[in-house]
Amino acid sequence: AQSVTQPDIHITVSEGASLELRCNYSYGATPYLFWYVQSPGQGLQLLLKYFSGDTLVQGIKGFEAEFKRSQSSFNLRKPSVHWSDAAEYFCAVGSGNTGKLIFGQGTTLQVKP
Amino acid sequence: NAGVTQTPKFQVLKTGQSMTLQCAQDMNHNSMYWYRQDPGMGLRLIYYSASEGTTDKGEVPNGYNVSRLNKREFSLRLESAAPSQTSVYFCASSLEYGYTFGSGTRLTVV
Repeated sequence: AQSVTQPDIHITVSEGASLELRCNYSYGATPYLFWYVQSPGQGLQLLLKYFSGDTLVQGIKGFEAEFKRSQSSFNLRKPSVHWSDAAEYFCAVGSGNTGKLIFGQGTTLQVKP
Repeated sequence: NAGVTQTPKFQVLKTGQSMTLQCAQDMNHNSMYWYRQDPGMGLRLIYYSASEGTTDKGEVPNGYNVSRLNKREFSLRLESAAPSQTSVYFCASSLEYGYTFGSGTRLTVV
């Protein structure tokens, strides 16, 4: 069965520092992969997605992610974090051709001034 | 603005009460979904509807029923609410993995 693991429940970084959020997936075929962000009390906003092609994907708000098939990973990165990036981040994998998304447990990002 | 509208935004129920969460989208998407979000567990799929007239169970369907009333509307019903159903519920619609989420319903069962 498909699954997504985000090993880090909570991460704290200083403003201006670089960020990497980890995501590992389990899926038999070529996965569709997504990163979403959720600000407190809000719905989910898509940051970026990977379907095929270039394994380095650029998203909104300066985020990028790299698909590594050999490691079953799709880690999210940002070179310089801003205080407004504090939120919860979810990695998700698309489940076949049903359109269903399987989500990871989420990583809460705290940004120190 | 186009999007997914959920009602109500907040609800408190007593154990055993019933209620229906409403969801409507105006993007002409075929697929609609209900997820629940609990701390440390991410979002888990309750039910989904790939097209008007069809519904299927997700990961955590027990205690819930759904109705795909038409292409726009997908409702979630709790027949006899339990404290374990205290959660934040999100409706979403999609077209080929292009998801749009509603703003959520925070449900507390006491």
